[in-house]
Amino acid sequence: GEDVEQSLFLSVREGDSSVINCTYTDSSSTYLYWYKQEPGAGLQLLTYIFSNMDMKQDQRLTVLLNKKDKHLSLRIADTQTGDSAIYFCAERSDSSASKIIFGSGTRLSIRP
Amino acid sequence: DVKVTQSSRYLVKRTGEKVFLECVQDMDHENMFWYRQDPGLGLRLIYFSYDVKMKEKGDIPEGYSVSREKKERFSLILESASTNQTSMYLCASSLMDRRETQYFGPGTRLLVL
Repeated sequence: GEDVEQSLFLSVREGDSSVINCTYTDSSSTYLYWYKQEPGAGLQLLTYIFSNMDMKQDQRLTVLLNKKDKHLSLRIADTQTGDSAIYFCAERSDSSASKIIFGSGTRLSIRP
Repeated sequence: DVKVTQSSRYLVKRTGEKVFLECVQDMDHENMFWYRQDPGLGLRLIYFSYDVKMKEKGDIPEGYSVSREKKERFSLILESASTNQTSMYLCASSLMDRRETQYFGPGTRLLVL
């Protein structure tokens, strides 16, 4: 079945770049998402990419998609303390228009 | 701005109690979802609804039921709460268009004693 995997923890120094990685198994994925969850809050959509794109940039965020390897990454440039959160990778496939499959989330912590 | 609200941020219930979690969205979305979030497991879909009075099981429906009597409201019901249902419950909504993402409520943290 469909599966989305990501590492559970990432620690970076303030001001460095953070790279959060994700792999997925469904080759018919059409949309891939990154959500951010701050402590005590729900999920907030950060950015998304269509499966026919390789890269998308939005201010400090860069999403890279390697469709051949089914690998998605989120790069946060100049990481700030406000970027501390859990980041979820998610995918939607052609086979299931309404359902989105979420990864387990990567907890990003920032050290001074 | 899309707004998804959940009736409670925190709930404490006893084993065997009937529990209602309410979710309301104000953007006329067709789809509504209930997830539970547990550490290391990410979000798991319990039920979703794509129209009034319509519902479909997600990945972990056991021990839960849902109700969608009005388009804007989607309720999650725990008929007889158990300790393994202690979790964070997240509601989401989206338009039917497959290009549309899901918008989430703030979550309800439920503790079953």
